[in-house]
Formats: sequence, C-alpha cells, structure tokens
Amino acid sequence: QKEVEQNSGPLSVPEGAIASLNCTYSDRVSQSFFWYRQYSGKSPELIMSIYSNGDKEDGRFTAQLNKASQYVSLLIRDSQPSDSATYLCAVNLDNYGQNFVFGPGTRLSVLP
Amino acid sequence: SAVISQKPSRDICQRGTSLTIQCQVDSQVTMMFWYRQQPGQSLTLIATANQGSEATYESGFVIDKFPISRPNLTFSTLTVSNMSPEDSSIYLCSVEDTPNLGTTFGSGTRLTVV
Repeated sequence: QKEVEQNSGPLSVPEGAIASLNCTYSDRVSQSFFWYRQYSGKSPELIMSIYSNGDKEDGRFTAQLNKASQYVSLLIRDSQPSDSATYLCAVNLDNYGQNFVFGPGTRLSVLP
Repeated sequence: SAVISQKPSRDICQRGTSLTIQCQVDSQVTMMFWYRQQPGQSLTLIATANQGSEATYESGFVIDKFPISRPNLTFSTLTVSNMSPEDSSIYLCSVEDTPNLGTTFGSGTRLTVV
C-alpha cells in the first residue's frame, strides 16, 4: 500500500508568518510530487510541483524535496488569510503517466 | 491548463437510484480520471478512463457500481448505481495536462444520498 502522510492540522499561523506544511511518502521510486490547495467546497487546484531534490520557489511558495528522507514540504511566506485552505500533498507513482496518491491534507488557518 | 465542465454540481438522491455525472473537457485528452472525496477525507481514485477501452478500476471499486463511459477524447461519464447513504461524497473528474505536470480537476459533484 503506497502511503502519503500529512499532519491533519489545523495549523494556525498569524498573518505575515511562514506556514510550513510537511508530507512523507512511502514509495521510494516516486519521482514527481505536487501540492494542491483546496478551499472549502471547491475542487483542488495545483499550486506547486517538484521533481528534483532541493528547493523550488514560486512567488510566496517554496517546495522542498528530500528523496533520501522521502519528505516533501511546502513553505508559504507572508501568509495571508486568503491562504486558509486545506493543502494536499500528492505523489505520482508513475513516471510516464498518472497514478496519484493523495495525502489526507493539512488544514491551514491564517489568522488576521 | 485544460478546462473541465462537470455537472451536476450537486444532487440529493434517493437510495436505490442512480446518478450520472458528466465531464466535458475543452481539449482532447488521452486519460481521464474519476476520484471520490468522502467528507473530511482526501481523494481516492475510483478509475482511469481511456477512450476506446474499458475503464481501469482501483481496488475496492467495481464496474457494476461505478460504470464509466468514455465515448471520445473530450467527454466522460461516471454513474453511481444503486446508491446508498455511504455513497454520499464529492465526485471529481480530472485530466492530466501533460505527464508529470499534475492534474486538473473539474469543479466536483456533491452527492447526498438520503
């Protein structure tokens, strides 16, 4: 059973702070990793993808991947109340197609 | 990214009945996917639908309960058959844009079975 684990939260941070979201995965051969944001009552939307060890930055978001530790994280700098949502970590088990396993999600609350 | 129109957005259904959910994509895609998201939980893949072949179902999901059609490269339907309250969930279709670039979801169908 391929697993993706996340802290369910809720994670509460004050506005302007850095929110750190963590994810671990069990399948060592996974090559691509994704973070989705899901607002309540809405469908998930892709915010970050990462394939190589290290950091990948996109605006206020930074994804970090450590394949040796089977760990991927998402940092949100200068958190805003509009960032309040559930963040889903997803791992694609198929390098040539799509076979996603989603984590349970971490609920983030940014307090004004 | 592809744009997916999914309908209905929500429905309340009587147990024992069936509901068909439709997804229309604005571009041709090889693979379409159907997910279920039960209340407070993450997404679980139900099946993968390729045009011209039978859908591939994940463990725990069977064709008699969740028949899928994929008549062309832009359209798919998922039917939830003989519904029970346990089928109350959000159902989402998705498509891959290109390999390893994630997946785009439709807006979802919120199903309540009473």
